[in-house]
Amino acid sequence: GAVVSQHPSWVICKSGTSVKIECRSLDFQATTMFWYRQFPKQSLMLMATSNEGSKATYEQGVEKDKFLINHASLTLSTLTVTSAHPEDSSFYICSARDPRTGGSMQYFGPGTRLTVL
Amino acid sequence: AQTVTQSQPEMSVQEAETVTLSCTYDTSESDYYLFWYKQPPSRQMILVIRQEAYKQQNATENRFSVNFQKAAKSFSLKISDSQLGDAAMYFCAYRRQIPIQGAQKLVFGQGTRLTINP
Repeated sequence: GAVVSQHPSWVICKSGTSVKIECRSLDFQATTMFWYRQFPKQSLMLMATSNEGSKATYEQGVEKDKFLINHASLTLSTLTVTSAHPEDSSFYICSARDPRTGGSMQYFGPGTRLTVL
Repeated sequence: AQTVTQSQPEMSVQEAETVTLSCTYDTSESDYYLFWYKQPPSRQMILVIRQEAYKQQNATENRFSVNFQKAAKSFSLKISDSQLGDAAMYFCAYRRQIPIQGAQKLVFGQGTRLTINP
């Protein structure tokens, strides 16, 4: 199967600072990547769809100015949490759509645990 | 909008026994994909099995099989010969087959936590 990496795997930051999370497809080019948020013992909540070379599509209720997504290359998408607050603490997961499968398969990164103090 | 429902928040099974996890979904589409994902304590999402809606034959992957009932919009996962390593959260997911922007997202159920008793 294809491999998707995320960096960092965990991060602790102070309230008011910004944090950038990277998502990379290691062995395939992903024109589309997805960013999810997961609270403890809950399901994955889609935040946005990231398309290479164009603006991200945000789900209803997700603040686009707070969660900045940049998909600058076919193997890298970044999520920046701006002016982080304790309520932004969560587990963030990315996935990448593999075009070699006709787009039917998405592979997930290992996730990033964000703690905002 | 499509929805996915997993009505069993928790399930438990004895090691080596068989367990079935339930999933129902709601859609007006005729072509779509259904998935079961496993999320162990590491929280890495792992694909367990995939089913294309146009295929009548139920998908199988070793000890994992599905019972896909398209008319009933039901997609249950059967795990045979349960092993300790099967303990995890299991998520059922739906995806439209239309290859257009915005239609490719996965819709997840609430999840079922599976415990394996030794």
